[in-house]
Amino acid sequence: DTEVTQTPKHLVMGMTNKKSLKCEQHMGHRAMYWYKQKAKKPPELMFVYSYEKLSINESVPSRFSPECPNSSLLNLHLHALQPEDSALYLCASSQAASGGAVETQYFGPGTRLLVL
Amino acid sequence: GQNIDQPTEMTATEGAIVQINCTYQTSGFNGLFWYQQHAGEAPTFLSYNVLDGLEEKGRFSSFLSRSKGYSYLLLKELQMKDSASYLCAVRGSNQGGKLIFGQGTELSVKP
Repeated sequence: DTEVTQTPKHLVMGMTNKKSLKCEQHMGHRAMYWYKQKAKKPPELMFVYSYEKLSINESVPSRFSPECPNSSLLNLHLHALQPEDSALYLCASSQAASGGAVETQYFGPGTRLLVL
Repeated sequence: GQNIDQPTEMTATEGAIVQINCTYQTSGFNGLFWYQQHAGEAPTFLSYNVLDGLEEKGRFSSFLSRSKGYSYLLLKELQMKDSASYLCAVRGSNQGGKLIFGQGTELSVKP
């Protein structure tokens, strides 16, 4: 089973709203990732959690706040977003993020976010 | 700097074979991945290469030459459902699992 689930599938929010995206995996993976993807562009890495600790923040604006409550869950809290933040937000997980042996990232279906 | 190049678009005919090339220049090398992404969906893992040579998995094969910084994805017996974007991604060294993605190759399979 290589399933990563994400909720909600679609989200429309205003610039003053606060919302959260959720990601879950039950593969025993210890690394989880948030990506942002615009149309016809590759995924852009936002954050990496390794063993529930934030290991990479790709200079993401503070209006995006990640949280890893436990090894199976990853949240992305959104506040005061801008219309240009509209995109597909993808969660992924891998066995680890050591960069050593095969650490294939498996992606969830994504949340399509529209900021009005 | 780090750079991954792949063609933007390719067109092929159903039943044919197509090869999608990827060249890379990265800070170290710790594996190359190919993903398939249909429009509006998440990327799906296709293959992984870390040693030189060919990895075959059904209709899909992937090749790597580390000395040349080059990989290709070979798709045989093309089907209409193979129309998708194909992403080449490289993991560098000491980057905590970070993948560097190419821009993707949009493959159109025509009858």
